[in-house]
Amino acid sequence: DAKTTQPPSMDCAEGRAANLPCNHSTISGNEYVYWYRQIHSQGPQYIIHGLKNNETNEMASLIITEDRKSSTLILPHATLRDTAVYYCIAISNFGNEKLTFGTGTRLTIIP
Amino acid sequence: NAGVTQTPKFRVLKTGQSMTLLCAQDMNHEYMYWYRQDPGMGLRLIHYSVGEGTTAKGEVPDGYNVSRLKKQNFLLGLESAAPSQTSVYFCASSYVPRRGADRDTQYFGPGTRLTVL
Repeated sequence: DAKTTQPPSMDCAEGRAANLPCNHSTISGNEYVYWYRQIHSQGPQYIIHGLKNNETNEMASLIITEDRKSSTLILPHATLRDTAVYYCIAISNFGNEKLTFGTGTRLTIIP
Repeated sequence: NAGVTQTPKFRVLKTGQSMTLLCAQDMNHEYMYWYRQDPGMGLRLIHYSVGEGTTAKGEVPDGYNVSRLKKQNFLLGLESAAPSQTSVYFCASSYVPRRGADRDTQYFGPGTRLTVL
């Protein structure tokens, strides 16, 4: 699986869009980009994933660059409940059952 | 659906004691996983199972054993607990990844906080 790099921490004002970057310059063609988050010691929660097209669901949007070497998770209207550690993971869907979680980005939403 | 549940939520052991952590899922998932998370660190995979009766080692398997006798349950055992095993343990489950389709997401339990004195 490709290694990902994320900033260790970010702040965002409540009500604004939170943009969380992730670099995955060694990603291969069959690896997806997944985002999870972990709110204060709870179990990680799936947010969104994508291969090469931008994706949107009820929680967030995922923007993947054309060369797929980086991506951005967007929380359009951040609330205090979005304060969490966000993990970006690049994984293959063929024969690899393991998720490798790094240290992620600690996002703090400021009132 | 309860999703993924873990028993117990908290436990304190003395060095050398043994215990079993239980993970149960009611989503008919094929794959199940055990992770540990140490303070300030990401999750690390201990063992996983791709189906009933099968198990495999993850990144940090030493000191742990697992069993998957029933599809819905995945047990994590510590035969002789050590202080280095003080951690939060998370169980997760997922559908079988289908070749050619998106890999399915993992659903996590609430965690078991284990302290070994």
